Amino acid sequence: DAKTTQPNSMESNEEEPVHLPCNHSTISGTDYIHWYRQLPSQGPEYVIHGLTSNVNNRMASLAIAEDRKSSTLILHRATLRDAAVYYCILRDGGTDKLIFGTGTRLQVFP
Amino acid sequence: GAVVSQHPSRVICKSGTSVKIECRSLDFQATTMFWYRQFPKQSLMLMATSNEGSKATYEQGVEKDKFLINHASLTLSTLTVTSAHPEDSSFYICSAAGGWRGELFFGEGSRLTVL
Repeated sequence: DAKTTQPNSMESNEEEPVHLPCNHSTISGTDYIHWYRQLPSQGPEYVIHGLTSNVNNRMASLAIAEDRKSSTLILHRATLRDAAVYYCILRDGGTDKLIFGTGTRLQVFP
Repeated sequence: GAVVSQHPSRVICKSGTSVKIECRSLDFQATTMFWYRQFPKQSLMLMATSNEGSKATYEQGVEKDKFLINHASLTLSTLTVTSAHPEDSSFYICSAAGGWRGELFFGEGSRLTVL
């Protein structure tokens, strides 16, 4: 499985935008970029995913570099409830299996 | 939206006993479910892929006789930790693919404490 690299932790103030980076230089053509987040003592939840084009949904935006070797998850206005560990995962289009890396722990301050 | 539910959410058992954790897809059918284990302050580690009607596929280093997986129906997979020891204490999480966007849904997790 292709590997991703994320910063261990990031901080943000409430109502400010947050840009969570992810490097995946060994991504293959069939790998989708998925983002999940995990709140304390809960199972992960889906945030967003994309292949080549930037994606937007009600939770976040995903900006994918043109060479697909990196991507950025954008939370437009962080809230205290966004404090979680965010995982960037490469998933082959032919499988449902997700292999989690270490993720980025996001702290949001009031 | 689709929901995956686990039971029990917390369980405490004595060393040497076996514990069963259930994972249910509540409003969709899941031919494949995944079991993860998570130790404190660590990431999720995939243990096995549970396939309905067939044997589970275990990841390297996971003992299949220790962690028994049964996926007898399209909505239920069970993980049994046999002869549990304190080092098996962990947060066990299941997931299933069921979203129209191709996303996986995760259960709430089951925290196992072995005394």
